[in-house]
Amino acid sequence: EAGVAQSPRYKIIEKRQSVAFWCNPISGHATLYWYQQILGQGPKLLIQFQNNGVVDDSQLPKDRFSAERLKGVDSTLKIQPAKLEDSAVYLCASSLRGGSTDTQYFGPGTRLTVL
Amino acid sequence: GIQVEQSPPDLILQEGANSTLRCNFSDSVNNLQWFHQNPWGQLINLFYIPSGTKQNGRLSATTVATERYSLLYISSSQTTDSGVYFCAGGQAGSQGNLIFGKGTKLSVKP
Repeated sequence: EAGVAQSPRYKIIEKRQSVAFWCNPISGHATLYWYQQILGQGPKLLIQFQNNGVVDDSQLPKDRFSAERLKGVDSTLKIQPAKLEDSAVYLCASSLRGGSTDTQYFGPGTRLTVL
Repeated sequence: GIQVEQSPPDLILQEGANSTLRCNFSDSVNNLQWFHQNPWGQLINLFYIPSGTKQNGRLSATTVATERYSLLYISSSQTTDSGVYFCAGGQAGSQGNLIFGKGTKLSVKP
């Protein structure tokens, strides 16, 4: 069974530029998560989708971050404009149902450096 | 939301040694997972263990839900065990939102 796929693996941009990340979850998984992991810290949830609807985006900086999950499968996360503090690894995860007792499976992440 | 504290923050072991990592929660959880993040950044799910004890090879985990802590045991450590170990908890009604600790960075020396 294929795992969670993400691209690109690395991205370097200058502040005020825009950037987009892509995620393809495990086949059949209804729930998709985007996490931000700053160096030296644990991942922090940015947004959670159940199929193509948003379940939780309370920690998403909506003035600059946006995400969508068209057709309930792939998802993109966009940052526009980027700030220096956005430098982090962006992790995508998926789970079968998305309930509070569900196991989450993570992709390899996209390492973003904002100069 | 809940607070997750992990200890120790750093751990250096000689190959073959055993270790215990601890995770404390500020409130009750009904979802508790342990992850290993390898040096390339990949997060691997080790255990889903909201209560009880599980074992998988040289790794085992125990969660005492009533006392709000979980332990991860690594026996006969190998250099490939190096990386950061995270625990993460979720509460009932949280829709799957996991709160992560800051991790324990493990270095196993040959």
